[in-house]
Amino acid sequence: AQSVTQLGSHVSVSEGALVLLRCNYSSSVPPYLFWYVQYPNQGLQLLLKYTSAATLVKGINGFEAEFKKSETSFHLTKPSAHMSDAAEYFCAVSDRGGTSYGKLTFGQGTILTVHP
Amino acid sequence: DGGITQSPKYLFRKEGQNVTLSCEQNLNHDAMYWYRQDPGQGLRLIYYSQIVNDFQKGDIAEGYSVSREKKESFPLTVTSAQKNPTAFYLCASSISGSGNTIYFGEGSWLTVV
Repeated sequence: AQSVTQLGSHVSVSEGALVLLRCNYSSSVPPYLFWYVQYPNQGLQLLLKYTSAATLVKGINGFEAEFKKSETSFHLTKPSAHMSDAAEYFCAVSDRGGTSYGKLTFGQGTILTVHP
Repeated sequence: DGGITQSPKYLFRKEGQNVTLSCEQNLNHDAMYWYRQDPGQGLRLIYYSQIVNDFQKGDIAEGYSVSREKKESFPLTVTSAQKNPTAFYLCASSISGSGNTIYFGEGSWLTVV
């Protein structure tokens, strides 16, 4: 079975500061990994995904994430936070192949607050 | 525009009633999903379907039912057997297969009154 753990349910940063949202995964097979963002009362929007090409993945809005197999991590970063980055962020894992392929298992989410 | 349409956005249910949430997609995706979202618990999979007339239970299927009679449509019924139905429900779709992006609708709020 696969699972995702997001460390820190709330993260607060100042505008212009580094954003670091942590995600660790557990999977019995090489995973596909995703980061989604959710604004209040809306659906989820894909930020980026790792599908076994480059381990450093660049996404939308200046975000990027690095897949580290040895640490089973896929942390999300952004060099400089903007007020518009305030939202909830979800890390998700999908295994490869099998009868349940394609479906995602989500972490519990991290709410990012950006202070002026 | 292509996308996933969920309706209604807000729905109120009385105790003992069944309610149905609609989900329609025009992305020509084979796979469709229903997730439930509760504060602090992330998203949990209720049901998913990879092809018309076939669907599988997710992690929390009890008290829910679905149908997949058309590729574009995947309605979710919340039955009276679901004891705690108040939540935000998200429909999603994707090209079938691992690693493909799952796209989400805007969600539906269900409240029991």
